[in-house]
Amino acid sequence: DMKVTQMPRYLIKRMGENVLLECGQDMSHETMYWYRQDPGLGLQLIYISYDVDSNSEGDIPKGYRVSRKKREHFSLILDSAKTNQTSVYFCASSLGRGREQYFGPGTRLTVL
Amino acid sequence: QQKVQQSPESLSVPEGGMASLNCTSSDRNFQYFWWYRQHSGEGPKALMSIFSDGDKKEGRFTAHLNKASLHVSLHIRDSQPSDSALYFCAASDPRNYNQGKLIFGQGTKLSIKP
Repeated sequence: DMKVTQMPRYLIKRMGENVLLECGQDMSHETMYWYRQDPGLGLQLIYISYDVDSNSEGDIPKGYRVSRKKREHFSLILDSAKTNQTSVYFCASSLGRGREQYFGPGTRLTVL
Repeated sequence: QQKVQQSPESLSVPEGGMASLNCTSSDRNFQYFWWYRQHSGEGPKALMSIFSDGDKKEGRFTAHLNKASLHVSLHIRDSQPSDSALYFCAASDPRNYNQGKLIFGQGTKLSIKP
């Protein structure tokens, strides 16, 4: 069963705290993505990863960093979270570049 | 201004009716388009892609692309309550296609009334 998982599903942090969002996929997909979704803005690409330790900035990378040490696992890190990083974060994976993207269920992050 | 604009913002259609969603790009380089659907509380799921001018049909869903007018549409016939969701149009230009990058529109909220 092809699946993208995200942990945690809900997270509340205080401004200035560090945040770690985790994503896993069981499809051996090369390419993985992190997006954030805000009302009226659709999905915005934060980072894209083409394979282990091969990461590239998306459209809104400022304030975020990523780590991919295993093909099936992709992490999003917020160092010293800010209130404007309150959002729903989605991880996705695809078999290759430009192919259909499979999304996880999302993590709702609130930064107080 | 978003490079991919969707209209309408929201749409209500009676069950069994036809739903028509629109998407316009402001960037002539965008050549490849996807439609994604997101049910409440879930992640988006790909419905279909369209890369060539004309129609592409998959079951009750038909996408239409006109690259000259930078317009793509999605038509859902015989709408079902399960079609109620947020629909995203996403676009890519050939330069970014090989990088896997998509630009998403802001979404159209579709409600199917029983």
